[in-house]
Amino acid sequence: DAGVIQSPRHEVTEMGQEVTLRCKPISGHDYLFWYRQTMMRGLELLIYFNNNVPIDDSGMPEDRFSAKMPNASFSTLKIQPSEPRDSAVYFCASSTPRTVRIQYFGAGTRLSVL
Amino acid sequence: EDQVTQSPEALRLQEGESSSLNCSYTVSGLRGLFWYRQDPGKGPEFLFTLYSAGEEKEKERLKATLTKKESFLHITAPKPEDSATYLCAVQASGAGSYQLTFGKGTKLSVIP
Repeated sequence: DAGVIQSPRHEVTEMGQEVTLRCKPISGHDYLFWYRQTMMRGLELLIYFNNNVPIDDSGMPEDRFSAKMPNASFSTLKIQPSEPRDSAVYFCASSTPRTVRIQYFGAGTRLSVL
Repeated sequence: EDQVTQSPEALRLQEGESSSLNCSYTVSGLRGLFWYRQDPGKGPEFLFTLYSAGEEKEKERLKATLTKKESFLHITAPKPEDSATYLCAVQASGAGSYQLTFGKGTKLSVIP
């Protein structure tokens, strides 16, 4: 399996622009997690899905952030409008219910908002 | 609120010099404690899960141990390729609670 695939790997945008990050989980995994990593706050959970349904979005910082999972093989995290403080590395992870404790991470998207 | 504190923030070792990384945690009920390794520009890579106090797991030069308040990652005779950031995370017990709370990590540098 190719693992969790995220795109793009790097994104540079200007303040106020819309940003869409994409994730393809490992086939057969039905839990999907979105995290944000910064030097100051470390790795923080933003939202997670089970069987394409959002379960807990309490980590989403503001209404500017939204996430969707239209099917089992694709999820998006959107920021609209983007702000410089959104600059971070965003990770997607997936896991199965049998080994739900083990999350497998993608390589991340490094977002820079100028 | 679940909390994870890792120490030290950074550690420099000579090749072959053994040491330990610490992870202190507070959680309402522990379902599992996880160790991940993260290389620069990559996502965290799973290493171990520990479920109960007294449990130990080993993988090559790494050994993870767990008590009721903390976990240690022991590194025996490290090599330069062990250089990475090591992350600790806890998962609380409770129905449907599968999220992980991470510490900020320990950046390990092993000098040849």
